[in-house]
Amino acid sequence: RKEVEQDPGPFNVPEGATVAFNCTYSNSASQSFFWYRQDCRKEPKLLMSVYSSGNEDGRFTAQLNRASQYISLLIRDSKLSDSATYLCVVSGGGADGLTFGKGTHLIIQP
Amino acid sequence: NAGVTQTPKFQVLKTGQSMTLQCAQDMNHEYMSWYRQDPGMGLRLIHYSVGAGITDQGEVPNGYNVSRSTTEDFPLRLLSAAPSQTSVYFCASSYRTMTYNEQFFGPGTRLTVL
Repeated sequence: RKEVEQDPGPFNVPEGATVAFNCTYSNSASQSFFWYRQDCRKEPKLLMSVYSSGNEDGRFTAQLNRASQYISLLIRDSKLSDSATYLCVVSGGGADGLTFGKGTHLIIQP
Repeated sequence: NAGVTQTPKFQVLKTGQSMTLQCAQDMNHEYMSWYRQDPGMGLRLIHYSVGAGITDQGEVPNGYNVSRSTTEDFPLRLLSAAPSQTSVYFCASSYRTMTYNEQFFGPGTRLTVL
């Protein structure tokens, strides 16, 4: 079974700090990569897609390392509202082509 | 647009009962899918549909049926509920293939089977 592995955390980070977490995947044939955000007892929502060249959206930066088979998410100047679970999603392996990680729980502390 | 809607939000069943979880989307998306989310597990695909009249099994299909008679609706039927089906169920839709496109999730149905 194709796997997507994430550190479940929780990551406790002071407001304003920079935090980064990685996700490793086992399927070398994976073509697309995403980070979803899930708030407590809510549905997942797309945070950003991850492109081969890396991409940035405001305070969020996503990187892909195909050689080592991991993707990363960097959050700068963290806000209290960034507290959530971040799901790594990778194509390949699942019946519909997507495999979800179990999520990394992030807590931003005032 | 309402996006993806799910009913009910909460449900308690007794073992052996059957029920249907409703899912609808108003974005004219071709792809729809059902996931379950259990503590300590990633979302797991139950069934999915690539268009009206076409459905297929996902990773954990046993005990569930689906049909897709219209583009908008994709109900999930529990045939004979078991405690192992206690979970949070999410319906999702995407414009085209889920592999490359954003999935839009409904708010979820929290199901408890006693």
